[in-house]
Amino acid sequence: QKEVEQDPGPLSVPEGAIVSLNCTYSNSAFQYFMWYRQYSRKGPELLMYTYSSGNKEDGRFTAQVDKSSKYISLFIRDSQPSDSATYLCAMIPSGGSYIPTFGRGTSLIVHP
Amino acid sequence: NAGVTQTPKFQVLKTGQSMTLQCAQDMNHNSMYWYRQDPGMGLRLIYYSASEGTTDKGEVPNGYNVSRLNKREFSLRLESAAPSQTSVYFCASSEARRSYGYTFGSGTRLTVV
Repeated sequence: QKEVEQDPGPLSVPEGAIVSLNCTYSNSAFQYFMWYRQYSRKGPELLMYTYSSGNKEDGRFTAQVDKSSKYISLFIRDSQPSDSATYLCAMIPSGGSYIPTFGRGTSLIVHP
Repeated sequence: NAGVTQTPKFQVLKTGQSMTLQCAQDMNHNSMYWYRQDPGMGLRLIYYSASEGTTDKGEVPNGYNVSRLNKREFSLRLESAAPSQTSVYFCASSEARRSYGYTFGSGTRLTVV
């Protein structure tokens, strides 16, 4: 079992839908949680970052961490075709090398 | 534009050939990384350099070598390419090893035949 599990999709939704992307993890030492967005044939770009548990909102995007369930989510409201991309979660443990562990990514398609 | 620049963008190699992938960043970042991305496998760390003058192995270092030429540049070398090294290679940088956010380059698509 990988430390970070992420459904590869693809997840196909109509424009305007609320999208929920999720990752589960097994390492309870993870304290820092990131979401990256990767457009086709481009490098990943940092979308959001949260520390420990709780919610963080940035425009149409909300990141949520539930450490008790070892589960993180990224919600996208009013999804747009321009949101079509692969979304990767990443996690860093407290202490140690501070090297993130990435999920495999979920492919999202928002159709007009 | 500021960021991470990788060259070349595409490359086809024959088995046994060698090549060096170049990476440069202009953000004055201290730490740099090389990843490979394969379908279904996600991003896997090959090597990283926490600061100028240091390099460390990541998850999949076999078959690769790296050089941190200076603070800006971090190169990845394949001494004897194998078909298993067919992948998309990404260079990334961060302010420091303990930074949570990485800036990635656009990638090098390498095919070994």
